[in-house]
Amino acid sequence: GAVVSQHPSWVICKSGTSVKIECRSLDFQATTMFWYRQFPKQSLMLMATSNEGSKATYEQGVEKDKFLINHASLTLSTLTVTSAHPEDSSFYICSASGGFRTGGVGNQPQHFGDGTRLSIL
Amino acid sequence: GESVGLHLPTLSVQEGDNSIINCAYSNSASDYFIWYKQESGKGPQFIIDIRSNMDKRQGQRVTVLLNKTVKHLSLQIAATQPGDSAVYFCAEKGAAGNKLTFGGGTRVLVKP
Repeated sequence: GAVVSQHPSWVICKSGTSVKIECRSLDFQATTMFWYRQFPKQSLMLMATSNEGSKATYEQGVEKDKFLINHASLTLSTLTVTSAHPEDSSFYICSASGGFRTGGVGNQPQHFGDGTRLSIL
Repeated sequence: GESVGLHLPTLSVQEGDNSIINCAYSNSASDYFIWYKQESGKGPQFIIDIRSNMDKRQGQRVTVLLNKTVKHLSLQIAATQPGDSAVYFCAEKGAAGNKLTFGGGTRVLVKP
């Protein structure tokens, strides 16, 4: 249980293109979804937190107009990288919170998708 | 700001031996900690978690230890197997909200 699906898993596009990444919770309702960015051999950096039906909360230094987040339903959040440039190339990972436990002791564990590798040429 | 860091970037372990991965955190207000395993090209996978009112928790072949006095977290993997080769991250959650702060990661390489 607690499956989170990301699509696409891999995308290559030209500089200036806008790219949309979808994050779906398949078997639970996600009250909160998180978007992370991960550069090679580095840790996950939180970009923004989104709650269903409300505006996303962005971390310091993350451009709201560059990374558009929509969380229109309890099972879907999207991240759109607008006018992407080579420096936006990265591994983008979403997580969803609000499902049942995975055997842990946390109230709302985060379940992660398998990420989207974005390469901008 | 708060940060979670790791001491060892790479840990090479003989198959069958035990592994210990360490993590230091700086936010004394954090009340929940998680260890994740990340394989190449995939998202983090939950391994085990612990609350701040606990100092030890055991799972299948894994044990997490929490020392709040020195703000230190460790993950012990018993009888390490080739499938345990991955990057391991610790993460902490502050007392307010549900945001996680991740540590820098430790790569575990299991030698046959």
